[in-house]
Amino acid sequence: DAGVIQSPRHEVTEMGQEVTLRCKPISGHNSLFWYRQTMMRGLELLIYFNNNVPIDDSGMPEDRFSAKMPNASFSTLKIQPSEPRDSAVYFCASKAVGGNQPQHFGDGTRLSIL
Amino acid sequence: GQQVMQIPQYQHVQEGEDFTTYCNSSTTLSNIQWYKQRPGGHPVFLIQLVKSGGVKKQKRLTFQFGEAKKNSSLHITATQTTDVGTYFCAGLRGTASKLTFGTGTRLQVTL
Repeated sequence: DAGVIQSPRHEVTEMGQEVTLRCKPISGHNSLFWYRQTMMRGLELLIYFNNNVPIDDSGMPEDRFSAKMPNASFSTLKIQPSEPRDSAVYFCASKAVGGNQPQHFGDGTRLSIL
Repeated sequence: GQQVMQIPQYQHVQEGEDFTTYCNSSTTLSNIQWYKQRPGGHPVFLIQLVKSGGVKKQKRLTFQFGEAKKNSSLHITATQTTDVGTYFCAGLRGTASKLTFGTGTRLQVTL
């Protein structure tokens, strides 16, 4: 079975540019999570969706960040405009129905903003 | 907000030595999950504990959930180089889907 698929794997861009990260969750999973991981701040939850609806976006750092989930098989995380402090590894994870279900992570997108 | 702290932040052991990481939550949890992240990789689910005082084993790994459901530990017996990575606990409150990940413990194992 295919796991969570993220693209791109690596992105290097200049500050001020728009960045779009993509995620395809595991088929049948109804919850999707976006995380950011840095050495300084560890693994932070940015936003999560249940059944394509955003439930908690309290971790989104500021208005430059936005996330959408137009359907059950696709989500995007957009940063506009990007800044060097946004450099991090961004993970997408999905899980099946039920609070006790584990989260399955994608391979992540390593983002570098110059 | 809820905080989940882990100690130590980093541990370096020689192969064959034991290793323990401790996880403490500021709030009572409904369950706790453990994940392992290899260098350059992504977090991978290891196990979940739900019962107060629960203990689970996976080969050389022993997981415990405290009686008050606010702390947990992971113990590795006789570490191997394949155990290298960062171990995260992650707590769930109530029936919510949102996990709060701990700060992680990075384990380095050398021959």
